[in-house]
Amino acid sequence: LAKTTQPISMDSYEGQEVNITCSHNNIATNDYITWYQQFPSQGPRFIIQGYKTKVTNEVASLFIPADRKSSTLSLPRVSLSDTAVYYCLVGLNFNKFYFGSGTKLNVKP
Amino acid sequence: DTGVSQDPRHKITKRGQNVTFRCDPISEHNRLYWYRQTLGQGPEFLTYFQNEAQLEKSRLLSDRFSAERPKGSFSTLEIQRTEQGDSAMYLCASSRGGLAGRDTQYFGPGTRLTVL
Repeated sequence: LAKTTQPISMDSYEGQEVNITCSHNNIATNDYITWYQQFPSQGPRFIIQGYKTKVTNEVASLFIPADRKSSTLSLPRVSLSDTAVYYCLVGLNFNKFYFGSGTKLNVKP
Repeated sequence: DTGVSQDPRHKITKRGQNVTFRCDPISEHNRLYWYRQTLGQGPEFLTYFQNEAQLEKSRLLSDRFSAERPKGSFSTLEIQRTEQGDSAMYLCASSRGGLAGRDTQYFGPGTRLTVL
């Protein structure tokens, strides 16, 4: 079971780029890396998923180095509405997802 | 709305009562998952269905908990003889299936249970 380590919390200001790094030293060869966002009293929302190098979509980028033992979620130009908890998950078997405590991002005006 | 739906959104009950929650997955998804989330913690996996078959149960799922997905569509999670420690948000997710590891789970809004 691949577990992850993330910072407990981060602060940022509106308009800045935010990078949240996740360590997953025990990632297996076939594991994918998935990031979710969660607002209070809501279910987690899928942000992005990747296997290696770089993945970009309309809301974020995901950077994965060659050894895949870590990954970085990049949120460009955050706004107050990006204040949320962000979870990094790894797992070949979807039923083995381990959410951990996530990173609480606080965006200030 | 074509997302995952859960009912009810909130449930308050007294200790010892039974409660049942419902989850309706995204229509073409054949996998369905239940998680539990307590304040300040990430979601914890409880159980998972592939169509109507319950394929995995966490050790967190005591014998007071039972989940069903009778026709491979909606699912119910029942908690018998509720305890105050059962107070949590119960989350349902569904996924399309296919290549393991790339099978993205989509979550519903959750049911918040308060046991008095």
